[in-house]
Amino acid sequence: KQEVTQIPAALSVPEGENLVLNCSFTDSAIYNLQWFRQDPGKGLTSLLLIQSSQREQTSGRLNASLDKSSGRSTLYIAASQPGDSATYLCAFSVGYNTDKLIFGTGTRLQVFP
Amino acid sequence: GAGVSQSPSNKVTEKGKDVELRCDPISGHTALYWYRQSLGQGLEFLIYFQGNSAPDKSGLPSDRFSAERTGGSVSTLTIQRTQQEDSAVYLCASRPSFGPMAGELFFGEGSRLTVL
Repeated sequence: KQEVTQIPAALSVPEGENLVLNCSFTDSAIYNLQWFRQDPGKGLTSLLLIQSSQREQTSGRLNASLDKSSGRSTLYIAASQPGDSATYLCAFSVGYNTDKLIFGTGTRLQVFP
Repeated sequence: GAGVSQSPSNKVTEKGKDVELRCDPISGHTALYWYRQSLGQGLEFLIYFQGNSAPDKSGLPSDRFSAERTGGSVSTLTIQRTQQEDSAVYLCASRPSFGPMAGELFFGEGSRLTVL
């Protein structure tokens, strides 16, 4: 069974800190990996998509990397802000335009002023 | 519309009743997905559509659950004879099948179902 583990499950930090969120998966034959954020009571917002041929993606203060050989992805958040407070989810697919994403259970992040 | 639209946003029903949840994907997105998120749980895949056909419905929990998609656009998830364990947020997502965004999923805000 394909599993996705996210560590830590919860994180509370002061504003300004640089953060690392980890995602590990059991199936090394992943095709692409996507990071999302979910605000309470809301749907998921896509943050970064790392395609099969890529190793990392950057968007503003966010950087995500993917190491298929070790089965890990890392989301780096620079200079965290209170507005970054949300649950962060990683998910992977196992084939081109495949039918589904396998989701982790998320890291709940709180950034306090 | 600009994003994935789901309705109703909230639904409270009595055990044993049938419910229908609707999803309007982003225009032009050929792939559509339904997921379920229970309290404190991760996202659980239910079904995937490519156009109007469903190549993967392996996540539907029981035969009380069904879904259809018409015109390659709107999808309806139907739950018959609802049970309390069906209470969850039902999330719909769509993605384009071609182009630079082909792998990226776009989610709606979900339909929160409460079965009393």
